[in-house]
Amino acid sequence: AQTVTQSQPEMSVQEAETVTLSCTYDTSESDYYLFWYKQPPSRQMILVIRQEAYKQQNATENRFSVNFQKAAKSFSLKISDSQLGDAAMYFCVNQGGKLIFGQGTELSVKP
Amino acid sequence: NAGVTQTPKFRILKIGQSMTLQCTQDMNHNYMYWYRQDPGMGLKLIYYSVGAGITDKGEVPNGYNVSRSTTEDFPLRLELAAPSQTSVYFCASSYPRTVNSPLHFGNGTRLTVT
Repeated sequence: AQTVTQSQPEMSVQEAETVTLSCTYDTSESDYYLFWYKQPPSRQMILVIRQEAYKQQNATENRFSVNFQKAAKSFSLKISDSQLGDAAMYFCVNQGGKLIFGQGTELSVKP
Repeated sequence: NAGVTQTPKFRILKIGQSMTLQCTQDMNHNYMYWYRQDPGMGLKLIYYSVGAGITDKGEVPNGYNVSRSTTEDFPLRLELAAPSQTSVYFCASSYPRTVNSPLHFGNGTRLTVT
């Protein structure tokens, strides 16, 4: 079965600091993709970062980067220089045969 | 561009009633999905489709049905509504995963079953 687990329901970070959100997944697919999506209170989903499983290099997008450990099936998101606008629910997503979301991590940013 | 359009935005159903949630996209996306999101929770995949005429079950398909007669439309049918189906429903669409392009979501339908 395809699963995605986010073990941190809530996280908090001070503005300008760095925070890491954890994600583990399981899939029987050999070719799959991983994503982090952000959902602010407006409920609209925003793509944060994308990782192809066949690529060993970790994806980066400005202040966002991932630590992709394929053997451990781990896919954590690091947010550097946190900003107030980063506060949102963050979802780890696995696209193998299906597109499966984790339970989400609610990130708050303290000024 | 309209993107992904869901209707209605809100609906209240009585137990045992049926309804169809509409979803239309104008981006010629092959893949379409239906999710439900309960308060404070993640999205659960109900059904998905990789193209017209092809549908498959997701994580929580019981109590729902879908069809995909055209590339643009992917309606979700609720038969015999139950209180457990109270949720926010999101439709999404995308290109195949090999294309570096994000999911596009509709604005959601808030459904209450009483």
